Amino acid sequence: NAGVTQTPKFQVLKTGQSMTLQCAQDMNHEYMSWYRQDPGMGLRLIHYSVGAGITDQGEVPNGYNVSRSTTEDFPLRLLSAAPSQTSVYFCASSRGTRAPNTEAFFGQGTRLTVV
Amino acid sequence: AQSVTQLGSHVSVSEGALVLLRCNYSSSVPPYLFWYVQYPNQGLQLLLKYTTGATLVKGINGFEAEFKKSETSFHLTKPSAHMSDAAEYFCAVWGGRFGAGTRLTVKP
Repeated sequence: NAGVTQTPKFQVLKTGQSMTLQCAQDMNHEYMSWYRQDPGMGLRLIHYSVGAGITDQGEVPNGYNVSRSTTEDFPLRLLSAAPSQTSVYFCASSRGTRAPNTEAFFGQGTRLTVV
Repeated sequence: AQSVTQLGSHVSVSEGALVLLRCNYSSSVPPYLFWYVQYPNQGLQLLLKYTTGATLVKGINGFEAEFKKSETSFHLTKPSAHMSDAAEYFCAVWGGRFGAGTRLTVKP
């Protein structure tokens, strides 16, 4: 059982470039989310999805797009990378708001550097 | 107001000493509470959770936490720290809201 798989693990981008961070889960979870982790700031929610075809903004959505065409996949797109987007990105999934007592499962993270 | 507040961004203890990591949550959020641990260069994994029932919750690796509604707290404890406990710990509430994290250092 793979759980939550994120690719790539590391990425270096030049300012202005675009890229997509991939996230896939094999647990048939309804809820998927993207976080960024910066020193001293914990995890901040970027975007989330409560099911296929439904996405919404989190705390820090600017500069990022998401889509959810299938239950399994939830890619995060950086439209025009900026140095402020240098961070570690985590994808997570859970059974969703109909099961609030269940925990989130996290991917291993993507360390992104924008130069 | 913050949904989750972790007091102390960095806690240092000696091996064998008590570990106490503090977490307070907003009374406006549903009381589904979680502690996660993050080892270096890894993702987060669940330590323990409180949903309903017994207010003292036991987790993996000897950790436990007590839900205190009157104090809106969910502090994490371990009686005796081990070197392998060195990691970052996050308190979270329902809805995917996380505290800022507490880095635990264990001194030999």
